[in-house]
Amino acid sequence: KQEVTQIPAALSVPEGENLVLNCSFTDSAIYNLQWFRQDPGKGLTSLLLIQSSQREQTSGRLNASLDKSSGRSTLYIAASQPGDSATYLCAVSRDYGGSQGNLIFGKGTKLSVKP
Amino acid sequence: DGGITQSPKYLFRKEGQNVTLSCEQNLNHDAMYWYRQDPGQGLRLIYYSQIVNDFQKGDIAEGYSVSREKKESFPLTVTSAQKNPTAFYLCASSYSGTGTYEQYFGPGTRLTVT
Repeated sequence: KQEVTQIPAALSVPEGENLVLNCSFTDSAIYNLQWFRQDPGKGLTSLLLIQSSQREQTSGRLNASLDKSSGRSTLYIAASQPGDSATYLCAVSRDYGGSQGNLIFGKGTKLSVKP
Repeated sequence: DGGITQSPKYLFRKEGQNVTLSCEQNLNHDAMYWYRQDPGQGLRLIYYSQIVNDFQKGDIAEGYSVSREKKESFPLTVTSAQKNPTAFYLCASSYSGTGTYEQYFGPGTRLTVT
């Protein structure tokens, strides 16, 4: 059974710091991995998606890497800003027939960036 | 604007009543999903549908029912059989078949049952 773990559960950093959020998964047979952002009481915003054949994806100050064989992904945020404060969720999708869209989520990392 | 709408944002019901949560998308996505989120927990899949008139149970389908009569709509009914219905419910959609299956989420409905 696939399990997704995110460490740390919470992180507080000063503005401007570069930071790394970690995600690990137990079964390497994944179709893709998505990183999401969730603001309090809101829905999820997709940040980055990495296909199982890819090693990394970049969007602006965000860079996500994937090491499928070791079951790990990292989300790197450069030059953090107070507006980055949110909960970041990692999710992997199963890689078997008809279920590629079904995501299994970690519990998230709650990030606070202090001015 | 293309996107996913969920209504209402907040919903209150008495124990023993069924309640239906709405989810509509205009992204022309084939697949739609319902997730449940509890405090301190990751999202868990309730039901999903990859095509009109077909849907599959997710990991926690007991006490829930869905229908998919139109491509744009995937309503979720929380029945009185669901033991702990109070939660934040999120609907999502994606393309299906070949492709990335990148999921897009609605704003959520917070259901409180007393």
